[in-house]
Amino acid sequence: QKEVEQNSGPLSVPEGAIASLNCTYSDRVSQSFFWYRQYSGKSPELIMSIYSNGDKEDGRFTAQLNKASQYVSLLIRDSQPSDSATYLCAVRYNQGGKLIFGQGTELSVKP
Amino acid sequence: EAGVTQSPTHLIKTRGQQATLRCSPISGHTSVYWYQQALGLGLQFLLWYDEGEERNRGNFPPRFSGRQFPNYSSELNVNALELEDSALYLCASSRSSYEQYFGPGTRLTVT
Repeated sequence: QKEVEQNSGPLSVPEGAIASLNCTYSDRVSQSFFWYRQYSGKSPELIMSIYSNGDKEDGRFTAQLNKASQYVSLLIRDSQPSDSATYLCAVRYNQGGKLIFGQGTELSVKP
Repeated sequence: EAGVTQSPTHLIKTRGQQATLRCSPISGHTSVYWYQQALGLGLQFLLWYDEGEERNRGNFPPRFSGRQFPNYSSELNVNALELEDSALYLCASSRSSYEQYFGPGTRLTVT
C-alpha cells in the first residue's frame, strides 16, 4: 500500500473556479504536511505547510488537515491558468526528516 | 535571500562511470536532503545530512553516497552508474526539521 496517495488527474477546472486537491496518508504518526507545486521541467515549490487539524489559509490557497481521517486537502480559489501544474502532497513523520511524496495531481485551469 | 543552488544543471555519463552532484543550501539552513525524481516513480528520498552527519538514507543501494561539508554544502556521489539512474536529482535544504526548499535540480542522463 502506498504511504501517500493522490488522484493523478488530470483535474480540469475553468478559470475563476475552485480547484480541490486531495491526499490521504497511511501512517497515523505523521506530523507535518506540505503541498508543493511543480511546473513541467521545474523543481517543486513549497506553497503550503500545515501541522495541526483544521484549515490554514494563505492568499488564494487553503490547506485542510483531518488527522482522524488521515486526509489533507488543498483548495485553490479563483483558479488562474498560471496555476496549471502538478501539485505534490508530502508527509513527514516524527523521525527521519524525509518527506514522503504522493504521485502528484496534474491541474489544468482552462481560460 | 538566495535559494538552493545545484550544479551542474545537466550531466551526461555512460554506464559504469561515477557522477558527482553538488548542492549549496539557503544561508542559515543546516540540513540538506537529496531526492531522486525518475520518470513514473515520483519523488523518492535518498539522503539527509544535518550538521555534517548522515541522519537518514532511503531505500537506495550503497553506490549512492554523499557528504556534507563544514559550510553545509553537500555532494551526492553515484558510483557504477546504471541506465535506471537517469533522473532529476533534487536537493532541498531546511532549518533543522522545518520546511524544505528545493533547488533547481541536476538532470542526470546515463547512456
